[in-house]
Amino acid sequence: DSGVTQTPKHLITATGQRVTLRCSPRSGDLSVYWYQQSLDQGLQFLIHYYNGEERAKGNILERFSAQQFPDLHSELNLSSLELGDSALYFCASSTLGTGNYGYTFGSGTRLTVV
Amino acid sequence: SQQGEEDPQALSIQEGENATMNCSYKTSINNLQWYRQNSGRGLVHLILIRSNEREKHSGRLRVTLDTSKKSSSLLITASRAADTASYFCATVLNQAGTALIFGKGTTLSVSS
Repeated sequence: DSGVTQTPKHLITATGQRVTLRCSPRSGDLSVYWYQQSLDQGLQFLIHYYNGEERAKGNILERFSAQQFPDLHSELNLSSLELGDSALYFCASSTLGTGNYGYTFGSGTRLTVV
Repeated sequence: SQQGEEDPQALSIQEGENATMNCSYKTSINNLQWYRQNSGRGLVHLILIRSNEREKHSGRLRVTLDTSKKSSSLLITASRAADTASYFCATVLNQAGTALIFGKGTTLSVSS
């Protein structure tokens, strides 16, 4: 157990639907990062939150959004889902808001869009 | 966009042999990090080497960094079947970056 909790572990949904992925960071970590991993695109950075505020955006589609709540857990919302959104979605946390420390990753949510 | 590029893409060795993976990156960095991912699982942080360091050890892992060539290598000595995994290098995209950008990884297969 890495200390980063992601739910659900698996999600199967239909095209056009909306889903919410949840992440609880390791205790004491203020930063939450979301990544998408697919076979063709590799591990893509989506978005970074630090202590409730958005810090950086990566290759995140407009159909996707995220937020970090006062208790520091984060949610990634994916809407108007397409077959190509099928992927592993990882959340990672770190102590501070820079890339100068190692990340702790969750075990991921496997999203299948049918 | 990719910051790091690992080489080779795939590596197959026998137990007991050493495995070397390389990473090249594009911009100046504060540090470079290596991660391991077992199939379908979350990534695990292995080691971080700062830009003013040239070599770092952790157990059977040895990482080198050559900032003049913008490259790093990860050496796993005396490989075991349990080392079978994908290995990724990561760094921030630029000095002001806040998030790690990962390469596409090297898939290591260690057979007994």
